Amino acid sequence: GESVGLHLPTLSVQEGDNSIINCAYSNSASDYFIWYKQESGKGPQFIIDIRSNMDKRQGQRVTVLLNKTVKHLSLQIAATQPGDSAVYFCAENPRAGKSTFGDGTTLTVKP
Amino acid sequence: EPEVTQTPSHQVTQMGQEVILRCVPISNHLYFYWYRQILGQKVEFLVSFYNNEISEKSEIFDDQFSVERPDGSNFTLKIRSTKLEDSAMYFCASARQGNEKLFFGSGTQLSVL
Repeated sequence: GESVGLHLPTLSVQEGDNSIINCAYSNSASDYFIWYKQESGKGPQFIIDIRSNMDKRQGQRVTVLLNKTVKHLSLQIAATQPGDSAVYFCAENPRAGKSTFGDGTTLTVKP
Repeated sequence: EPEVTQTPSHQVTQMGQEVILRCVPISNHLYFYWYRQILGQKVEFLVSFYNNEISEKSEIFDDQFSVERPDGSNFTLKIRSTKLEDSAMYFCASARQGNEKLFFGSGTQLSVL
């Protein structure tokens, strides 16, 4: 079956440091991957996505890396800020109809 | 920026009662979803809806659940006879196309007593 998981449930970083959040997926048919950020009491918000024909995509302060060989996805946040504190989910979308979410990593940014 | 809106933000009900959770997806989106999240856990897929019919549903989405798009703007989730284990945050989401990012509402916190 499909499963998407994150390597670490929690990550604590100092403000200004870079953060790396990892995710492993199991469905080799997945061709679209998304990172979402969920702040307390809110719904998940889109951060960045990547399709399987790419191995890297950059946004504003965020970068997603995709390694299809080992079915691994990572989210890098540069110069992490207190406002980045949230739960981060990776999701895979093997086909139209649903996205499967991983367990989530809680990022805490220490001032 | 357009957003998905959900009402109510909180719903308290007695076990066995029916509840209807309401959502207004983004107007030009074609795909609609319900997800739920039990406190401290991951976001779980319930159902997807496209072209006025269910396109996929999870094993959680049993006969007690139903979805409807009664008009051109609303998308509802009905739970016919609520159980204690239905207590969760329910998120509605929409997408312009099936293989694109989802836009989530702020959720309805359902508490079944």
